[in-house]
Amino acid sequence: EAGVVQSPRYKIIEKKQPVAFWCNPISGHNTLYWYLQNLGQGPELLIRYENEEAVDDSQLPKDRFSAERLKGVDSTLKIQPAELGDSAVYLCASSLDARDEQFFGPGTRLTVL
Amino acid sequence: AQSVAQPEDQVNVAEGNPLTVKCTYSVSGNPYLFWYVQYPNRGLQFLLKYITGDNLVKGSYGFEAEFNKSQTSFHLKKPSALVSDSALYFCAVSLDNTGKLIFGQGTTLQVKP
Repeated sequence: EAGVVQSPRYKIIEKKQPVAFWCNPISGHNTLYWYLQNLGQGPELLIRYENEEAVDDSQLPKDRFSAERLKGVDSTLKIQPAELGDSAVYLCASSLDARDEQFFGPGTRLTVL
Repeated sequence: AQSVAQPEDQVNVAEGNPLTVKCTYSVSGNPYLFWYVQYPNRGLQFLLKYITGDNLVKGSYGFEAEFNKSQTSFHLKKPSALVSDSALYFCAVSLDNTGKLIFGQGTTLQVKP
């Protein structure tokens, strides 16, 4: 069984540029999560989807971050414009439903110069 | 508010010795408790979870954890450590079926030959 797929694995951009991350969850997983992980810290939830619906986006900085999961399968997280402080690893995870363990992708390491 | 504390930044053990990685939590309802492991440049891997039932939970790679409600703890244990167990370990808690994981800061486990 394929795991959670994320691309790109690494991204380097200059500040004020836009950037997008893509995630394909495990087949059949209805719940999808985006996390931000700063160096030396635990992941922090940005947004959680149940199928197509964003059910928890309270931690998403909506002035510059946006996300979508149009068909309830893969998802895209966008930052526009990026700031220096956005440098981090962006993790995607999925689960069968909200009560089950989450399976994480390898993450995208973003560096903003 | 929910919170998770991992009081040790690093735990050092000799190969073959038992290991314990500590975790305490604070939630206002019924906790769902998880342990994840993260190897360098990789996403988090699920080890085990406690939802209800037996306080001793067995997981992957010979790890186990004990839920202690009175002490609000969920310590990770293994009877005999391997060098390959060296990694970053995260404890996480979610409230009931919300799916929102709150992670601890992580504990680096170093197993020396």
